[in-house]
Amino acid sequence: AQSVTQLGSHVSVSEGALVLLRCNYSSSVPPYLFWYVQYPNQGLQLLLKYTTGATLVKGINGFEAEFKKRETSFHLTKPSAHMSDAAEYFCAVTHSNQFYFGTGTSLTVIP
Amino acid sequence: NAGVTQTPKFRILKIGQSMTLQCTQDMNHNYMYWYRQDPGMGLKLIYYSVGAGITDKGEVPNGYNVSRSTTEDFPLRLELAAPSQTSVYFCASSYSSALLEDTQYFGPGTRLTVL
Repeated sequence: AQSVTQLGSHVSVSEGALVLLRCNYSSSVPPYLFWYVQYPNQGLQLLLKYTTGATLVKGINGFEAEFKKRETSFHLTKPSAHMSDAAEYFCAVTHSNQFYFGTGTSLTVIP
Repeated sequence: NAGVTQTPKFRILKIGQSMTLQCTQDMNHNYMYWYRQDPGMGLKLIYYSVGAGITDKGEVPNGYNVSRSTTEDFPLRLELAAPSQTSVYFCASSYSSALLEDTQYFGPGTRLTVL
């Protein structure tokens, strides 16, 4: 069975500080991994994804994530938080024609 | 392109009523998906379709039905609404299989309350 765990349902950072959102997955085979962002009252928008190749993936809005197979992790980072980054972030994994989402992390950016 | 559009945006149903959530995409995508999002939870896949005339169950299909008569439209039907179906419903589409690697494009969602 597949599962995705996002540590911390709420994360607060100061504007300009490092953003780190954690995601761990369980999978018996190499998965495809995604990070999505959801702004209030909107649908999800893809930030970045890992399928094969380079394990450090760069996405939109300055975000990046690194696939670490040994740690079964795919943490999302951004060097300097901006007020516009405040949103809900979801990690997801696909396997066997199913899509599994984590429960989400709400990011608050403090001015 | 309008992308993925969903109607209605909000709806309140009584227990036992039926309704259809509409989803349309104008990107000529083959794959379409229906998700539900419950408070504090991630999205769960209800049904998906790999092309016109083909649909398949996702993780939580019970209580729902879908059809895909055209490439553009993928309606979701609730036959006997139950309080457990109170949720926000998202439709999404992708050119090829998002279940493998392709990017999904999401609609703005339909907020459904069953009383």
